Amino acid sequence: QQPVQSPQAVILREGEDAVINCSSSKALYSVHWYRQKHGEAPVFLMILLKGGEQKGHEKISASFNEKKQQSSLYLTASQLSYSGTYFCGTALISSGSARQLTFGSGTQLTVLP
Amino acid sequence: EAQVTQNPRYLITVTGKKLTVTCSQNMNHEYMSWYRQDPGLGLRQIYYSMNVEVTDKGDVPEGYKVSRKEKRNFPLILESPSPNQTSLYFCASSPPTSGSYNEQFFGPGTRLTVL
Repeated sequence: QQPVQSPQAVILREGEDAVINCSSSKALYSVHWYRQKHGEAPVFLMILLKGGEQKGHEKISASFNEKKQQSSLYLTASQLSYSGTYFCGTALISSGSARQLTFGSGTQLTVLP
Repeated sequence: EAQVTQNPRYLITVTGKKLTVTCSQNMNHEYMSWYRQDPGLGLRQIYYSMNVEVTDKGDVPEGYKVSRKEKRNFPLILESPSPNQTSLYFCASSPPTSGSYNEQFFGPGTRLTVL
């Protein structure tokens, strides 16, 4: 089942902060975040695993609330380069050893000068 | 240069004419996957492969086939394409881990139009 992302779109000024949320109705093993710029392929940002392990970039922060099956991506002091569409992908505990990812519909972030 | 390549990048075809989109990676990754991207729907997984000769269905496998005969290649086959398969397709690969997930590297995408 597809995770739900919110907001669908957000417009910021340079230097402002943004939070993008991702929630699932099923128990999650991990949450994955990717950014896609217009006309390009998605690029990896971060993975958050059940139990607290994180893999990703130092300048991007995110949280994973295992009780609520929610994740939030925090973009602080936004730069023009942050513009793009952000996708969360979720892997379910019920999938077991299968590495199946289901992505949300995306959050379009626009940073204005 | 480490990369995932897809061919062709653009394809216009007609209903029912079999086609193959190739995907190749030079990073010795075990895991490979195909996604389609449609406006408002995000990325949807079609098939994935955890290693040679091991493939599994994703969320939207109907109308597609895949094969994994070599580690580096993971072609996507549409035996009888239909207009609802018009989409942007991405191939991705991921390095091996001890069973957990890892970063996926995406190819440049293939824009397919089925008339």
